[in-house]
Amino acid sequence: DAKTTQPPSMDCAEGRAANLPCNHSTISGNEYVYWYRQIHSQGPQYIIHGLKNNETNEMASLIITEDRKSSTLILPHATLRDTAVYYCIVRPRPGNNNDMRFGAGTRLTVKP
Amino acid sequence: GAVVSQHPSWVICKSGTSVKIECRSLDFQATTMFWYRQFPKQSLMLMATSNEGSKATYEQGVEKDKFLINHASLTLSTLTVTSAHPEDSSFYICSAHLAGRTGELFFGEGSRLTVL
Repeated sequence: DAKTTQPPSMDCAEGRAANLPCNHSTISGNEYVYWYRQIHSQGPQYIIHGLKNNETNEMASLIITEDRKSSTLILPHATLRDTAVYYCIVRPRPGNNNDMRFGAGTRLTVKP
Repeated sequence: GAVVSQHPSWVICKSGTSVKIECRSLDFQATTMFWYRQFPKQSLMLMATSNEGSKATYEQGVEKDKFLINHASLTLSTLTVTSAHPEDSSFYICSAHLAGRTGELFFGEGSRLTVL
């Protein structure tokens, strides 16, 4: 699986957009970008995933660069409950029983 | 969304005893489940892949005789920490892949093990 690089920590003001970057310069053509988050002492929560097109759901938006070497997760209006560790993961196409391996992630702190 | 449930949420045991953690997929069948371990302030580390009806596949460095995994049905996988020691104290998390969905894994709430 391709390796990802994320900043170790970020702060965001409550109500503002949180933009979390992820570098995956070695991503291959059949690998998707997944984002999960882990709130303290809980299991990871799925947020969003994409291949090459930008994606949006009720939680967040995912912007993938045209060369697919990096992506940004956007939480449009961050709340205090969005404080968590956010993991960017690349893995092969959906449908396979592939495992998911976590890097260090970005610790996002949303401040009042 | 799909729900994965773990039990117990937390457990304290004496050194040398064995502890069993259950992972259930509540509203879907999971042919494959994954077990992770997470130490404080660290990321999740994959321990093993649990396959229904067959032996689990362990990651390098994970002792299969110490961490017994059983996946006897399509909705239940168990992890047994045998002869637990204080260094086994950790947060154990399971996940399951929902076949037919777009590949995301669903994670349990985690089980915190403290070995005294």
